[in-house]
Amino acid sequence: QLQLQESGPRLVKPSETLSLTCTVSGASITSNSYFWGWIRQPPGKGLEWLGAFYYSVSTDYNPSLMGRVTISADTSKNQLSLSLTSVTASDTAVYYCARRRDAYGQFFDYWGQGTLVTVSS
Amino acid sequence: DIVLTQSPDSLAVSLGERATINCKSSQSVLYSSNNKNYLAWYQQKPGQPPKLLISWASARESGVPDRFSGSGSGTDFTLTISSLQAEDVAVYYCQQYYRAPPTFGQGTRVEIK
Repeated sequence: QLQLQESGPRLVKPSETLSLTCTVSGASITSNSYFWGWIRQPPGKGLEWLGAFYYSVSTDYNPSLMGRVTISADTSKNQLSLSLTSVTASDTAVYYCARRRDAYGQFFDYWGQGTLVTVSS
Repeated sequence: DIVLTQSPDSLAVSLGERATINCKSSQSVLYSSNNKNYLAWYQQKPGQPPKLLISWASARESGVPDRFSGSGSGTDFTLTISSLQAEDVAVYYCQQYYRAPPTFGQGTRVEIK
């Protein structure tokens, strides 16, 4: 049974860096069969794709984030990481990690429960 | 970016009646070389992550009740719930994956009348 669990600080100060981890169980993030992504949702609003991780191939980011986002992986722990620099209040959101199973279509069939990160001083 | 506009923003439907949600794309998401529409639908209940219902515009996920169906092509798509059940109360999102970055519609809230 695939499970994804996001974790990290729930409160981040403006201008600092938001760092989250997604622990994956039930599948290997190094598998060539799957890909991984981060998506966020501001409270009461819609969904925004942040970026994707393709093991041993590449990462891909949403240009709207202006180079503030980095996605990486710790294969020894089967974890993905998200880093978002220079945060502002508009980065307050529930952050989800999710699995993409289809090499030809970037849709997401498994999602973590999400973690709410608030940006505030 | 491709903009997806859903309509209506919310709708209230009686139990057992049909609910129809529309999703219009700012450009075609039909890939002519494989004749596939790069569009998915999700259901999100309060306090839960989105759940994938349909991919490739009309391919229902395993375990999704057959009262959910997706249709459309090019720029106009529809999610239909043929007979609304109480457990279908949720916000529904369309998502395109034709062109990076993947983008989502603003969501449609479905309630019981």
